[in-house]
Amino acid sequence: GAVVSQHPSRVICKSGTSVKIECRSLDFQATTMFWYRQFPKKSLMLMATSNEGSKATYEQGVEKDKFLINHASLTLSTLTVTSAHPEDSSFYICSARDTGQTNGYGYTFGSGTRLTVV
Amino acid sequence: KQEVTQIPAALSVPEGENLVLNCSFTDSAIYNLQWFRQDPGKGLTSLLLIQSSQREQTSGRLNASLDKSSGRSTLYIAASQPGDSATYLCAVSGFNKFYFGSGTKLNVKP
Repeated sequence: GAVVSQHPSRVICKSGTSVKIECRSLDFQATTMFWYRQFPKKSLMLMATSNEGSKATYEQGVEKDKFLINHASLTLSTLTVTSAHPEDSSFYICSARDTGQTNGYGYTFGSGTRLTVV
Repeated sequence: KQEVTQIPAALSVPEGENLVLNCSFTDSAIYNLQWFRQDPGKGLTSLLLIQSSQREQTSGRLNASLDKSSGRSTLYIAASQPGDSATYLCAVSGFNKFYFGSGTKLNVKP
């Protein structure tokens, strides 16, 4: 089945530095990938939709300059948290849709990245 | 804007019990509804996907139902096991967007 690999699974960084998170579709092409953020004991919130070869679409309230998204190929999207602050600490999850699946909207989720900014 | 609510927020049951998790949503114009499982510190595992034209889906001990008109879905877990302990998330799909509930944290006691 469709597999989405997310890396790293955990990262600790200092305030003011930037962190890059990768999301790869391993056995399918994904023209669209999605980035979510999950706060403790809260639901997942869609941050942005990543489109291959074009600019990402950000949800209302998400800072484009802080959360840089690049979708340079059909199998890779990256999320870079720039000038990280402790309040950026969270669990980030990516998702991709395997357009080859016929059983509806076959979205697959990555295993998530726990970001801690100290 | 679509809002998804899950009740209860937490549930603790003894092993072997049958249980029901509830999910409600405010906008019935959905493409599908999906139930996920999330283990602590982990990503999401898809359990069941119900298309908007379907009423229910079954996989093993899991059965999910969908009533679009009333904006409700239930996840039924039969003969619960300690390995079922996790957070269960309900999500409804619009066009290229998922709206998640805040989850039900299930603890199945041996």
